Amino acid sequence: DIQMTQSPSSVSASVGDRVTLTCRASRDISNYLAWFQQKPGKAPKSLIYAASKLQSGIPSRFSGSGSGTDFTLTVSSLQPEDFATYYCHQYNSFPRTFGQGTKVEIK
Amino acid sequence: QVQLVESGGGLVKPGGSLRLSCAASGFIFRDYFMSWIRQAPGKGLEWVAYIHGDGSSIYYADSVKGRFTVSRDNANDLLYLEMNSLRAEDTAVYYCARRLEYWGQGTLVTVSS
Repeated sequence: DIQMTQSPSSVSASVGDRVTLTCRASRDISNYLAWFQQKPGKAPKSLIYAASKLQSGIPSRFSGSGSGTDFTLTVSSLQPEDFATYYCHQYNSFPRTFGQGTKVEIK
Repeated sequence: QVQLVESGGGLVKPGGSLRLSCAASGFIFRDYFMSWIRQAPGKGLEWVAYIHGDGSSIYYADSVKGRFTVSRDNANDLLYLEMNSLRAEDTAVYYCARRLEYWGQGTLVTVSS
């Protein structure tokens, strides 16, 4: 199985900050990587697929990059509604796997 | 618009069974693979199962293989998850998702005596 490791586990940031989250795969997954945002009590929301493609309706302050084993999600200027938990997900092979999540908290 | 509505969750004793349903609307159901993902209380996301649009390919997480069965009714736009031999560690909110682009609101399954 492919293990997905996210870092950091949590980060404290202020509105307007640039934040970069990292996701590492235990082996090459090409660009079969997605990012999700989840707020408490809500279903996850798809942000990015194919490592860098923004889902429709997602603000351009979100961006993704990487390929192979190392990936990043960047929020260029944090907004109040961006405080949430973010998960990466590989869909290169079965079983599909998620990272453990990174919680973005208000400083 | 795309809508996914799960149902069938509830309280069940260890060793018991439950069938979850996911009613889809707003898209051509048979054209999309579907997945089940779960989230234990206070924990992260765990992928559970995948089924191709025509049901020809099915995959499971090791943690549920042999106990859970995913199926679909393309005539009625329904996705199912049959769960048998339930364990306490199966307690979670279960989400259905269309290609993981769109997710339902989830249904809570609690396995407890």
